Parts: sequence; structure tokens; C-alpha cells
Amino acid sequence: QQQVKQSPQSLIVQKGGISIINCAYENTAFDYFPWYQQFPGKGPALLIAIRPDVSEKKEGRFTISFNKSAKQFSLHIMDSQPGDSATYFCAASVQGAQKLVFGQGTRLTINP
Amino acid sequence: EAQVTQNPRYLITVTGKKLTVTCSQNMNHEYMSWYRQDPGLGLRQIYYSMNVEVTDKGDVPEGYKVSRKEKRNFPLILESPSPNQTSLYFCASRRGRSEQETQYFGPGTRLLVL
Repeated sequence: QQQVKQSPQSLIVQKGGISIINCAYENTAFDYFPWYQQFPGKGPALLIAIRPDVSEKKEGRFTISFNKSAKQFSLHIMDSQPGDSATYFCAASVQGAQKLVFGQGTRLTINP
Repeated sequence: EAQVTQNPRYLITVTGKKLTVTCSQNMNHEYMSWYRQDPGLGLRQIYYSMNVEVTDKGDVPEGYKVSRKEKRNFPLILESPSPNQTSLYFCASRRGRSEQETQYFGPGTRLLVL
């Protein structure tokens, strides 16, 4: 049973476009929602994270939108670049649980 | 350079032949963890350790063992590997007890069990 459901599995976007990846969760105890970026042959690396007390967090071209009532959060990549091509994972955690629960991952390809 | 290292990076073995994947971090982190990554399933936690001699099961611990005798090292042991343990394995570490601290991942170990 996947506690965090991520979509789409793969996404192709033209250079300069907006990439949007969505995640949904059921456990209302989740209180931390990070996104990880993984390049081929590398381990995941923290990209950006949000807590449920805010609805949006922006870092450069990357924005997390968070909808607590819908139990959904999404990653938006503005002005997508070929260097953004990677696999993206959303995740969630509960304080004290000592683990991250990951979504299934989205393979993003940015065409030049 | 602050990093998490894993060895080996690639491993092909046969069913039942014991193996160990090493993990080491040079950041003096208290918390270390092992994940496996499978297509369509994302990353799932196998075991974690809050400090030396303190380990606990994650979501998919069956068939795995770990030990934490030193703060910097957290080896993953497969005593009798089976084909369903074919996967991509990641070790991770973070500074302290809070899940909201950044986890740093190693480069991964790709394991094939024949």
C-alpha cells in the first residue's frame, strides 16, 4: 500500500515550459514534505521541502504548492531546462517515525 | 568533502551466498538508514540506526541485517540473498533525530541476485 501516491510516472516538457508533478497522501499525521532529485547513477538529493503550516514555498525556479484540505502537494519547475532532466521523488514524514515515505517517482525529461 | 560512500557500487551474486554492502559517512551524523529502490515503488526503508549500537526495522527488513559498531559505518548484510532482493540500494545519513533534517544519500549499490 503506497502511502504517498505520485503522478505522472514520466513527463516530457519542452525547454522553457513548466513541469508539474503531483503527490497525494492519506496520513494526516504527516508534517514534513520534501522533494528529492535524482540524476542517473547518483543518490537522491534534497531539492526543496515544505511544512503544512504554509501553502507554498519557492526556491528559485522550484515551487512546492501544498493543499492541506485535499491532502495533496505538487512540485512546479518554471522555465524548465535540460539540466532539470532527472527522476523526482516526493516524500513525507511523521515526527518520531524515523523514516521518509517516498512516492513512486517521476522521470522528467526536458527536450531542448 | 562531506559524503556518504557505499561499496561495492555493482554486485552480481548467486542465491544463498552471503554478502555485505558497506556504508560510511564522514559527517559525524547520528542517524543512518538503508533504503531499496524498485521501479514503481520508490524508495522503501529497510533499517535505520539512531546511534552506535541502536538499530531498528524499517518497512521492508525481511532478509536483511545491519550493525552499527562505529558511528561512521552502517553495513547492510544479506545472509542468504534471494532473487527478490535484486534492487538498487541506498545508504543515507542525517545529523540528528529530527526527520526534518536533510538526509544525505550515498551513490547507490546495484545488486543482482541470480
